[in-house]
Amino acid sequence: ELKVEQNPLFLSMQEGKNYTIYCNYSTTSDRLYWYRQDPGKSLESLFVLLSNGAVKQEGRLMASLDTKARLSTLHITAAVHDLSATYFCAVDGTSGSRLTFGEGTQLTVNP
Amino acid sequence: SAVISQKPSRDICQRGTSLTIQCQVDSQVTMMFWYRQQPGQSLTLIATANQGSEATYESGFVIDKFPISRPNLTFSTLTVSNMSPEDSSIYLCSVEDLRIYEQFFGPGTRLTVL
Repeated sequence: ELKVEQNPLFLSMQEGKNYTIYCNYSTTSDRLYWYRQDPGKSLESLFVLLSNGAVKQEGRLMASLDTKARLSTLHITAAVHDLSATYFCAVDGTSGSRLTFGEGTQLTVNP
Repeated sequence: SAVISQKPSRDICQRGTSLTIQCQVDSQVTMMFWYRQQPGQSLTLIATANQGSEATYESGFVIDKFPISRPNLTFSTLTVSNMSPEDSSIYLCSVEDLRIYEQFFGPGTRLTVL
């Protein structure tokens, strides 16, 4: 059974600081996704990582994938308040695009 | 990206009743997925709905409780049957864009069962 673990689950940081969210998974996977969810909202797709060593960046967020270590990271650079949200990683561990989600990381960026 | 709509956006229902949630996509997609997000929790896949075949349910979810229809390539419904307060959740449908390997989510249906 595929397990996906994120850490930390809660992250409070100051504006301007850098931090990394980690996503570990237990079995081989073809794809890893990062999503953002604002309170009361649905999921917004941030990144999809398809291969070992993949790195994608959008604004202050950068995601990477190490399939050998079964680890993905979401790095936040110079955080701003607008990044406050819950971030989920999700792994497609089997055929059929069925996603298993991590627990989510609730990020709060304080002025 | 695909544009996904869901109806209703929210509902409050009585114990023992059933609710059918609709999911409409603006383009034809092979697979549609139904997820549940319980309050303060992550997402859990309920089932995969393919057009022209029975839905495939994940462990812990059964057809009698969550019947699914997929009459065409742009539409699906999920019914939550014989509801109890434990069914109070957000129910989301999603679709995959195979051209870019991204999976997109609808706005969700927030269900409260009293």
